Amino acid sequence: GQQLNQSPQSMFIQEGEDVSMNCTSSSIFNTWLWYKQDPGEGPVLLIALYKAGELTSNGRLTAQFGITRKDSFLNISASIPSDVGIYFCAGLNYGGSQGNLIFGKGTKLSVKP
Amino acid sequence: NAGVTQTPKFQVLKTGQSMTLQCAQDMNHNSMYWYRQDPGMGLRLIYYSASEGTTDKGEVPNGYNVSRLNKREFSLRLESAAPSQTSVYFCASSGGGLGYTFGSGTRLTVV
Repeated sequence: GQQLNQSPQSMFIQEGEDVSMNCTSSSIFNTWLWYKQDPGEGPVLLIALYKAGELTSNGRLTAQFGITRKDSFLNISASIPSDVGIYFCAGLNYGGSQGNLIFGKGTKLSVKP
Repeated sequence: NAGVTQTPKFQVLKTGQSMTLQCAQDMNHNSMYWYRQDPGMGLRLIYYSASEGTTDKGEVPNGYNVSRLNKREFSLRLESAAPSQTSVYFCASSGGGLGYTFGSGTRLTVV
């Protein structure tokens, strides 16, 4: 089945640093999504990307839909303690016969205050 | 707006016991999903329901059953719990196009 390779698995950064994580796949997706999961909560949608090459920002977050439609990256600028959590990429194809959203295994972000 | 509500939040079962995890959404979404989350494994789809009256297996359906009771509710049943089913379970719903809305999870331990 379709799989997403998300990296890095975890990272520790100093407050104020920029963060970058990415997701790659051997399959093409119509949409890329980035979610954040706070401890003890369910994932919450951060950014959705709908078109190859699209670059979208949401505050300090910037994400891009790769031109090949097989990858995406998420950048967080000037990290703060509340950025701690697990970030998931997800690929979505419409019209498939199975539950369409495929998740990466997550990047666990820890910030040193 | 409550979004997606899951009950219970925590549960401990003995091996062989049965239980049903409840999920309800108030966003009039057609599709609903059950995922399990295990350390280092991300979110894996157990079952989903594309619309009221239909259910389909996901990636890891063994040991589970589901019921789409109506448009709002989608339950997950463990008939005979096993330690391998110790996990965090998430229900999600989707109205199509903008990704999924997740509940806050049920933390299940099977001893």
